Amino acid sequence: DAGITQSPRHKVTETGTPVTLRCHQTENHRYMYWYRQDPGHGLRLIHYSYGVKDTDKGEVSDGYSVSRSKTEDFLLTLESATSSQTSVYFCAISESAGPSERSYNSPLHFGNGTRLTVT
Amino acid sequence: DAKTTQPPSMDCAEGRAANLPCNHSTISGNEYVYWYRQIHSQGPQYIIHGLKNNETNEMASLIITEDRKSSTLILPHATLRDTAVYYCIVRVRGYDDYKLSFGAGTTVTVRA
Repeated sequence: DAGITQSPRHKVTETGTPVTLRCHQTENHRYMYWYRQDPGHGLRLIHYSYGVKDTDKGEVSDGYSVSRSKTEDFLLTLESATSSQTSVYFCAISESAGPSERSYNSPLHFGNGTRLTVT
Repeated sequence: DAKTTQPPSMDCAEGRAANLPCNHSTISGNEYVYWYRQIHSQGPQYIIHGLKNNETNEMASLIITEDRKSSTLILPHATLRDTAVYYCIVRVRGYDDYKLSFGAGTTVTVRA
């Protein structure tokens, strides 16, 4: 299994509070991603990173921010948690992706998720 | 974007081969077919991927039809631990090719 650790595994927080989820990898992969998984919506990309300090938005980025100060760590912050952000959050990593490298065959590897409940 | 169609569920007997079909009739020439699975409460697990040739690894085999409009994932000797949701995905080309779109998948139940 890919060396991906997500923390915490479970979190309950109140509406309006900031929350930070952490993803740590030991694979030295360049790309890291945050997805959320909700019933009826499958996996949806929140933000991704293509290098240290290089990040960009995914399809559901509103209300979330990310930071990547080291290759191995990718943080997801809910600036002011809302009940709609109750979800399971997955981090993923991959060696390469994107048109500039013309690599379509580098699979994503996922962590085991963080279950977040906003009350 | 190319999309995939999978049966919602299937059962198979422990020790037998499980054949999981997937249709991807609008796939483009250089788009890969990926298979992932998700066991309850865990993150999706990469299984295998291919472009047009059949592929095999320690987990499974992937058979892609010559016209590339469909594929079959084969678990050669299913075990109870293979019970999971299996996702067939086409890697979207272009700038967003990292944005894997997971549909509903096939819920596979392996029975003793």
